[in-house]
Amino acid sequence: DAGVIQSPRHEVTEMGQEVTLRCKPISGHNSLFWYRQTMMRGLELLIYFNNNVPIDDSGMPEDRFSAKMPNASFSTLKIQPSEPRDSAVYFCASSLHGSSYEQYFGPGTRLTVT
Amino acid sequence: DQQVKQNSPSLSVQEGRISILNCDYTNSMFDYFLWYKKYPAEGPTFLISISSIKDKNEDGRFTVFLNKSAKHLSLHIVPSQPGDSAVYFCAASVGAQKLVFGQGTRLTINP
Repeated sequence: DAGVIQSPRHEVTEMGQEVTLRCKPISGHNSLFWYRQTMMRGLELLIYFNNNVPIDDSGMPEDRFSAKMPNASFSTLKIQPSEPRDSAVYFCASSLHGSSYEQYFGPGTRLTVT
Repeated sequence: DQQVKQNSPSLSVQEGRISILNCDYTNSMFDYFLWYKKYPAEGPTFLISISSIKDKNEDGRFTVFLNKSAKHLSLHIVPSQPGDSAVYFCAASVGAQKLVFGQGTRLTINP
């Protein structure tokens, strides 16, 4: 049974370029979360969706970040334009019952912006 | 403002002994708490949870204790094994809302 799938696993890009991270949640899960992990701030929630609808995007750092969930099996996190301070590991997670319950994390995308 | 704090960035324990990881929180409205474990190059995985109506939950070698008056959560691992070496995150939520994570504690089990 496949877990949460993220692509790419690693992304290296130059400052100013657009970056798109992709996530496929576990089939049947109705909540999807995007997190960012940095040494300074630990694991931060950026945005989460319930039934494909964005519920809370208060963690999105600024307008350069946007997330979409066009259907129950796919979500994207886009950064445009990217900056060196965006370098981090980005995780996608999904859950069946909502955020208070067990969330299943993908392996993450390590983003490096030079 | 960090609502969930793990003040120890790292902890080293001898194999077979007890590991105790601590977590403090500031929001008295939190009613559900979880611990996640993370290995390098992998996403965090759920370990154990506790509702605010309880003060202890046990699952094999892992026990989570909740002290609501002190706003303190701890995870006990006994006996500690080399495979327990990982980063441990505590997390908390209000109702069915988003999880707030601590910054993590790196646990190293020495043979």
